[in-house]
Amino acid sequence: RKEVEQDPGPFNVPEGATVAFNCTYSNSASQSFFWYRQDCRKEPKLLMSVYSSGNEDGRFTAQLNRASQYISLLIRDSKLSDSATYLCVVNQGRGKLQFGAGTQVVVTP
Amino acid sequence: NAGVMQNPRHLVRRRGQEARLRCSPMKGHSHVYWYRQLPEEGLKFMVYLQKENIIDESGMPKERFSAEFPKEGPSILRIQQVVRGDSAAYFCASSQEPYPQHFGDGTRLSIL
Repeated sequence: RKEVEQDPGPFNVPEGATVAFNCTYSNSASQSFFWYRQDCRKEPKLLMSVYSSGNEDGRFTAQLNRASQYISLLIRDSKLSDSATYLCVVNQGRGKLQFGAGTQVVVTP
Repeated sequence: NAGVMQNPRHLVRRRGQEARLRCSPMKGHSHVYWYRQLPEEGLKFMVYLQKENIIDESGMPKERFSAEFPKEGPSILRIQQVVRGDSAAYFCASSQEPYPQHFGDGTRLSIL
């Protein structure tokens, strides 16, 4: 079993629609979590940290479920510029981040 | 305010040669990390360094790979006697505290 698993997609989303996807992690001792986005295998860019209480940043909402060991990302009112690969990232401690392989989102006009 | 700077952006080497990848962290950042991304795969942690110290190298292959972050100058990831399987994108990240980490543009290494 991979340490961080994501549905590779692609999720094809009409512009303006809502899309949500999850990521599961295997290490119950994981401390913190992040969502990054990566465009065309360029450098990953931090989208948001994921807090236990859940958090929102504009059109993006992240949730953490420690009991079931998954985190989620929801994108509302999708824009064409949201097309990217979204990377689920788990902090393994001591600076070591574990990346999922990514979920591809394609927003269509 | 420059971000994480990596060079070269693209590097081509023949099998058996050495590859040296450089990373200058963001100003004020003392933590540097190297990751490798193979085609169609996610990023894999390689090594975590602070100035003059290797903190965690659990992701580094046991042979041919080494990393340093000297007191002055950029961090260097060095791959000796490269093989075809070393072809990948190598990303460097830096941070002020261990998190969050900010990434450079990466070096695409191609082995002929």
